Amino acid sequence: DAKTTQPTSMDCAEGRAANLPCNHSTISGNEYVYWYRQIHSQGPQYIIHGLKNNETNEMASLIITEDRKSSTLILPHATLRDTAVYYCIGGYSTLTFGKGTMLLVSP
Amino acid sequence: NAGVTQTPKFQVLKTGQSMTLQCAQDMNHEYMSWYRQDPGMGLRLIHYSVGAGITDQGEVPNGYNVSRSTTEDFPLRLLSAAPSQTSVYFCASSYGIGTGGNSPLHFGNGTRLTVT
Repeated sequence: DAKTTQPTSMDCAEGRAANLPCNHSTISGNEYVYWYRQIHSQGPQYIIHGLKNNETNEMASLIITEDRKSSTLILPHATLRDTAVYYCIGGYSTLTFGKGTMLLVSP
Repeated sequence: NAGVTQTPKFQVLKTGQSMTLQCAQDMNHEYMSWYRQDPGMGLRLIHYSVGAGITDQGEVPNGYNVSRSTTEDFPLRLLSAAPSQTSVYFCASSYGIGTGGNSPLHFGNGTRLTVT
């Protein structure tokens, strides 16, 4: 599995876009990039994943750089309920989660 | 679909006691795994299984045993509980490596274990 690096914490105003970066410079060509989030002490929730192309679903957008060494998760209109720890993971199913980014959305 | 179901939700053990944390999924997922999460930490992989009859160790396997006799169930056994095993335990499943990595993990809601 690829090693990933994320900022420890980020702030975002409610209604604004939250852009969460992730560095995964060691990712191999066939490893997907996954994003999950964990609200309070609940089980982590899958958000989105991608291989090479940008992806969008009802929750978020994922922008992967052309060299695949980094990606950005975009929450287009952050709400208070998006306050959570966001994990960026690179690799197959034997995934090890780092400490993630604590996103605080404020009114 | 119930998804991934973990039982119990809470458990208090005394040092030296044994217990089994249950995990079941109804999505016909080949891959299942156990994580522990300590305060301020990310999730650390304990054990995982890529199919019935196959298990392997993760990052922090000591003090835990697993078996996978069916596709649906993946119990985690603590043979002799220690205070260091106080943690929140999460079970997860996915379709697995056979999809080429194109398979998100589905998590249970966790078991909160305290060992005194």
